[in-house]
Amino acid sequence: DAKTTQPPSMDCAEGRAANLPCNHSTISGNEYVYWYRQIHSQGPQYIIHGLKNNETNEMASLIITEDRKSSTLILPHATLRDTAVYYCIVRVAWGGSEKLVFGKGTKLTVNP
Amino acid sequence: DTGVSQDPRHKITKRGQNVTFRCDPISEHNRLYWYRQTLGQGPEFLTYFQNEAQLEKSRLLSDRFSAERPKGSFSTLEIQRTEQGDSAMYLCASSLGAGMAKNIQYFGAGTRLSVL
Repeated sequence: DAKTTQPPSMDCAEGRAANLPCNHSTISGNEYVYWYRQIHSQGPQYIIHGLKNNETNEMASLIITEDRKSSTLILPHATLRDTAVYYCIVRVAWGGSEKLVFGKGTKLTVNP
Repeated sequence: DTGVSQDPRHKITKRGQNVTFRCDPISEHNRLYWYRQTLGQGPEFLTYFQNEAQLEKSRLLSDRFSAERPKGSFSTLEIQRTEQGDSAMYLCASSLGAGMAKNIQYFGAGTRLSVL
């Protein structure tokens, strides 16, 4: 079972920031938080990952709370092409299983 | 930059037939993963290879499923005696290896299987 909880759906206006929450209250000290997204009929696309510090790349920012029990993925200026299912995943950094355990994710709809 | 390549993109078959899918990972990626995704669900892990060695298998990988990576490059996933419940998207991913920066899994576009 997935170790994360996400809202099933969210809406966002084009050009505005999209903030996608994720709860991972049972996260362990050696587990990273990953975000992927899946646009309809395509394979999942890696977005970003982090351990405890906030991270930013060209696609998004990841904000992890100090207790690491939740995180938020931020798309600073959402476009129509960001409409997708977004998956938050926790996974051990070393040792353990290699698999990614996907939940049902959040269906983000960016509206014009 | 060539990503993960999967072939075919779509496969329609009749129940009871055998099917084989191919995955070509990103060059120099020594880890290769197979996942299955049914409608409305997230992908589910099936198996993974490090080079040619199959190191982890899910209980979802029944006896009718077999995966190989004979030379540590491309991989094949075969389903024997297909059933309607096998209808799904089969996804392949690859990663560079150990160490967090190297172990990001990059996915292909998938092979959509329809069993009639």
